[in-house]
Amino acid sequence: DAKTTQPPSMDCAEGRAANLPCNHSTISGNEYVYWYRQIHSQGPQYIIHGLKNNETNEMASLIITEDRKSSTLILPHATLRDTAVYYCIVRVEVNYGQNFVFGPGTRLSVLP
Amino acid sequence: KAGVTQTPRYLIKTRGQQVTLSCSPISGHRSVSWYQQTPGQGLQFLFEYFSETQRNKGNFPGRFSGRQFSNSRSEMNVSTLELGDSALYLCASSLDRLGTYEQYFGPGTRLTVT
Repeated sequence: DAKTTQPPSMDCAEGRAANLPCNHSTISGNEYVYWYRQIHSQGPQYIIHGLKNNETNEMASLIITEDRKSSTLILPHATLRDTAVYYCIVRVEVNYGQNFVFGPGTRLSVLP
Repeated sequence: KAGVTQTPRYLIKTRGQQVTLSCSPISGHRSVSWYQQTPGQGLQFLFEYFSETQRNKGNFPGRFSGRQFSNSRSEMNVSTLELGDSALYLCASSLDRLGTYEQYFGPGTRLTVT
């Protein structure tokens, strides 16, 4: 089962910041939080990941709470092309490998 | 750098047949994972290969198998196809070294079983 919970859907006005929340209350100390998005029927696209510090790249910012039990993905200026399903994932290391368990994600609709 | 490529992109098979899907990872990536995506079950992990060895396996029947070659290219095979195997099959590769574990996904192979 996925170790994360997300709201099933959210709307955001074009040009405004989109703030997507994620709860991961059972996260362990060495487990990373990853964010992906999937535009209809395409392969998921990597966005950003973090451990405990806030992270920023050209696509988004990731804010992780101090207790690491939740995080927020921020798209600073949402465009129509950001409409997608966003997945928050806790990477679980198994057998020195990795297992990304995807939940249902949040369907973000950016509205004109 | 070229992304993850998957072939074929679309495939139609009939029940009882078998199918082989191919995945070429990003150059230098050593880990290849496979996922099945259906409207009902979402994205589900099938298996992960690293250095030609299956390192992790999801909860799928033995009809689903895979392998990885020395150049990191991977194939997955589904035998005795069932209608429920109709899905988007996604391959993802990862550098899997020095803390770099993010997976990069290919466009997927859309399999339809009739």
